[in-house]
Amino acid sequence: KAGVTQTPRYLIKTRGQQVTLSCSPISGHRSVSWYQQTPGQGLQFLFEYFSETQRNKGNFPGRFSGRQFSNSRSEMNVSTLELGDSALYLCASSRDGGASYNEQFFGPGTRLTVL
Amino acid sequence: AQTVTQSQPEMSVQEAETVTLSCTYDTSESDYYLFWYKQPPSRQMILVIRQEAYKQQNATENRFSVNFQKAAKSFSLKISDSQLGDAAMYFCAYRSYYEGGSEKLVFGKGTKLTVNP
Repeated sequence: KAGVTQTPRYLIKTRGQQVTLSCSPISGHRSVSWYQQTPGQGLQFLFEYFSETQRNKGNFPGRFSGRQFSNSRSEMNVSTLELGDSALYLCASSRDGGASYNEQFFGPGTRLTVL
Repeated sequence: AQTVTQSQPEMSVQEAETVTLSCTYDTSESDYYLFWYKQPPSRQMILVIRQEAYKQQNATENRFSVNFQKAAKSFSLKISDSQLGDAAMYFCAYRSYYEGGSEKLVFGKGTKLTVNP
């Protein structure tokens, strides 16, 4: 069974540009969450999608947005990039949303560098 | 809002020895999940162990075990018989029971574990 895949793995952009990152969850998983990982702030929750609907959202500016497609693949977009957006962006998928436990599986991440 | 604190930015252990990583958290909720995740250098984050707050028994997974003290809001990870492959960043994480089924995790800042041969 293929794991969570993220593309691209590495990305270099300049300030002011926008970027789109993609995440393909494990087959059958319907929940996709995104996290930003930086040395200073650690791992911070961006948002979560379940069945094409945003279920939860972290405390990030509106420049950060996402969506989920009917096949559960998810994209996140960052507009008007700032130097502080340089980070490892991780996505995680789980089989189903809900109060019961579902293990989240993480992808390898996309390393975004903003120059 | 929930917070997770890992007070040890770095720890080291000799191969075959035992090490304990600390984690404390703050929440007003009574039901939740706690996790330890491992992130090896340049590799994917993987789940090490989980604990449901309503369970009094401490979780164990092979060489990994936790000491869950709900009243003290403490959740430490013990690694026994440490191996070179245990070297990684370890993150403690919290998941609420109540956020509409959300899978959102709140992470601590992590502890970098070095295993010395």
